[in-house]
Amino acid sequence: QVQLVQSGAEVKKPGASVKVSCKASGYTFISYYVHWVRQAPGQGLEWMGIINPTGGSTSYAQDFQGRVTMTRDTSTSTVYMDLSGLRSDDTAVYYCARSLTLRKAYYFDYWGQGTLVTVSS
Amino acid sequence: DIRMTQAPSSLSASVGDRVTITCRASQSISIYLHWYQQKPGKAPNLLIYAASNLQSGVPSRFSGSGSGTDFTLTISGLQPEDFATYYCQQSYSAPYTFGQGTKLEIK
Repeated sequence: QVQLVQSGAEVKKPGASVKVSCKASGYTFISYYVHWVRQAPGQGLEWMGIINPTGGSTSYAQDFQGRVTMTRDTSTSTVYMDLSGLRSDDTAVYYCARSLTLRKAYYFDYWGQGTLVTVSS
Repeated sequence: DIRMTQAPSSLSASVGDRVTITCRASQSISIYLHWYQQKPGKAPNLLIYAASNLQSGVPSRFSGSGSGTDFTLTISGLQPEDFATYYCQQSYSAPYTFGQGTKLEIK
């Protein structure tokens, strides 16, 4: 069965970086794109960016440009999201989710379980 | 960025009711509109994709319609497990924005 399994919760200080992993299984890793979506406590969903596991190309939301880096390791079917310059308002649950590769058909049929990142001094 | 606006923000209903949630896009997005259900502490779950297509495994009491800028999610015959928060999401252009959510509560 398709699974996206994320790394565990993190507590970071302001200004630090965090790297969250998302390990895919149950499907052909390079056949789907992976997105990152975050959700601050009690708030809605915010799309952060997308990575194409085939070549590693990425596209990031403007709000995260310069602070986020998404990478992948095809040998382990794992995608990583690195967020730097952490602020208190980056406290959120971070989700990875997969989509089809067809342009405009970026809906998310499988999600990771979420990783809580807490930024606090 | 395309702004997605859901209405209402919250809704009280009873088991067995028929409820409708609307989602409006700030510009035309054709049919590239998707609906998710989220329960507390869980990841969102895809219900409807491309405006009106029922995701595999989702009960047929869920349905979606619309195109352009106006879309609806309808739940016919609410079940206890349907009380959750619902989000729409557009995939017409990046950033792939979500609505603010509609919380469906038990009356």
